[in-house]
Amino acid sequence: DQQVKQNSPSLSVQEGRISILNCDYTNSMFDYFLWYKKYPAEGPTFLISISSIKDKNEDGRFTVFLNKSAKHLSLHIVPSQPGDSAVYFCAAKGGTASKLTFGTGTRLQVTL
Amino acid sequence: GAVVSQHPSWVICKSGTSVKIECRSLDFQATTMFWYRQFPKQSLMLMATSNEGSKATYEQGVEKDKFLINHASLTLSTLTVTSAHPEDSSFYICSARRDLGEQYFGPGTRLTVT
Repeated sequence: DQQVKQNSPSLSVQEGRISILNCDYTNSMFDYFLWYKKYPAEGPTFLISISSIKDKNEDGRFTVFLNKSAKHLSLHIVPSQPGDSAVYFCAAKGGTASKLTFGTGTRLQVTL
Repeated sequence: GAVVSQHPSWVICKSGTSVKIECRSLDFQATTMFWYRQFPKQSLMLMATSNEGSKATYEQGVEKDKFLINHASLTLSTLTVTSAHPEDSSFYICSARRDLGEQYFGPGTRLTVT
């Protein structure tokens, strides 16, 4: 039962354009959401997070949007840079559970 | 951000042997450590959660006798894969957390069982 889903396994975006990565969840108990970036053979690194009391959080080039009614969040990267090429995982946690549930990841490739 | 290390970064072992992977939080005391497993092109699957000084809590479907977890101190947790088989070949990642703060991930260990 995949409670956090990233339906696009890959995404290719031209340098300078906006990258939009999407994530859907099914568990209404989730109240905190995170995005991680992962390079091959490395552990994930934290990018940005959002609490369910907000609908937007921005940090530099990265903005996360949360639509609670649709159980959907998205990560916007603008402008995209070649160094952003990696696999991006969304993760969620909430309620009495303190553990993270990860999505399946989206591989972003930023082309020149 | 905080630093979490794993050792070894990669290991090859023969079927039937045991392998120990160490996870250390280098600049903070981790009250909780997590062990994940990732298959190629798949998500990170939580295997177990361990709190310092107590037994690990395993996720459904994870064999506790096969994947032994020890969290002996606030800076060290170990995962031992006992009697490894080729299907145990995977990328194992630990993460560490202080109290209810942020989780910091290690660089991962690639295990190949021949």
